[in-house]
Formats: sequence, structure tokens, C-alpha cells
Amino acid sequence: QVQLQESGPGLVRPSQTLSLTCTVSGSSVSTEKYYWTWIRQPPGKALEWLGYIYHRGSAYYNPSLGSRVAISVDTSRNQFSLILNSMTAADTALYFCVTQDSDTYFFDSWGQGTPVTVSS
Amino acid sequence: DIQLTQSPSSLSASVGDRVTISCRASQTIIKYLNWYQQKPGKAPKLLIFHVSNLISGVPSRFSGSGSGTDFTLTITSLQPDDFASYYCQQSFTTPLTFGGGTNVEVK
Repeated sequence: QVQLQESGPGLVRPSQTLSLTCTVSGSSVSTEKYYWTWIRQPPGKALEWLGYIYHRGSAYYNPSLGSRVAISVDTSRNQFSLILNSMTAADTALYFCVTQDSDTYFFDSWGQGTPVTVSS
Repeated sequence: DIQLTQSPSSLSASVGDRVTISCRASQTIIKYLNWYQQKPGKAPKLLIFHVSNLISGVPSRFSGSGSGTDFTLTITSLQPDDFASYYCQQSFTTPLTFGGGTNVEVK
């Protein structure tokens, strides 16, 4: 079972950039078995898939985020990261890092989630 | 984007009840429909993938059915541990999307 742990700031000012990191144990981020994914959940709302990166370094993002989002991977640290620019109150959410099975596209291992609030 | 509409958005039930949750897709997703359970403050947990395949360790009282655009999650005899929110998710195409969720509450 893969273990995932998110880290990052709990509070971000409007218009600033969010940077979150997910530390992976129990698997290598270089594996072909998983895509490394970010999902968020605004308070009291449904889940939203933000995007993923896979072992070759290619990333796919939710078009709803436009050019604000980027996901990268650090193989030396066995981590992957999320960058979200131009934060607004609508980006306030619980952010999860997740493994996405590369064959079935389901989400099987989840971090505990890290809350992010956008406020001045 | 493929929209997933879950119904009902919430329901009240008692232990032992049979519970059915519907998920309707805005276009065909063939069999690429997954179900998750989420408890307050916790990450979702995968229950069923590709309509009806139970994840190892998930009780057999959970089952899934459907194809194309209409799918159902059934809990045959609701247990205390089952009071939670349930989400469907399509894995047919990106952007991957989730339904709005169904909250199963104690009656």
C-alpha cells in the first residue's frame, strides 16, 4: 500500500501562489503503475480532479484551471508537487494527493488531505 | 466535460435498510464508473471500480450495476459503519469527474 503525505501552507493570500508537496512511501514516483494526482474538495462540496503527472514527466490538467496549475515530480526525493497560481477564495479547499492507477484510472491511495484557506 | 449527476443528494436510513444510490452520466462512459465512500474529515476510500468490481476487503453488502449512462450503488443491509457520503467517478476520459455526492444519514 502506498502512503502519501501532503505538506504546505494552510493559509494563502489572494492572488498569491499555492505550493504543495506530496511525499510518497511504499512506491517510487518513477513507477509506471501510477499517475501522481491532485484532487481537492471545497468545504461541504464535491471532489474535483486537478490533474496528474506520470513517470515520463508528462502532465495533464483539468481545463477548468486554465494555465494556473502545474504538477511536477522530484525523483530524488520521491515527491510530487502542485503549483496553483492566482489564488482566490474559490480555491479554498482540502487538497489531497492521490495515486491514480495507470490502467484503470481509479484513485486507490489517498493522503490525509491538507486544508488550504485563501484569505487576506 | 462529462457531468455525473447523483441522486438523491442525501437520504435517511436505518440499520438493516437496503439503500440505492443512482449516478447518471451526461454521455456514455461504457463501464468506466467507480464508487467511493467518504467519512467526515477523511479521505475517500475506493469501494468499487468499473461498475461492479469490489475492492478487496470491501464487504459484500456493497454492489454496483449499470452501463452506458446509468449506474447504481446498492447497500443490501446498511450497517452502522456505512453512514457516510458516497461519490461516483468516471474514468472514461479526462477531465476525470465526480458526482456531487450522496450523504447517507441516520434516520
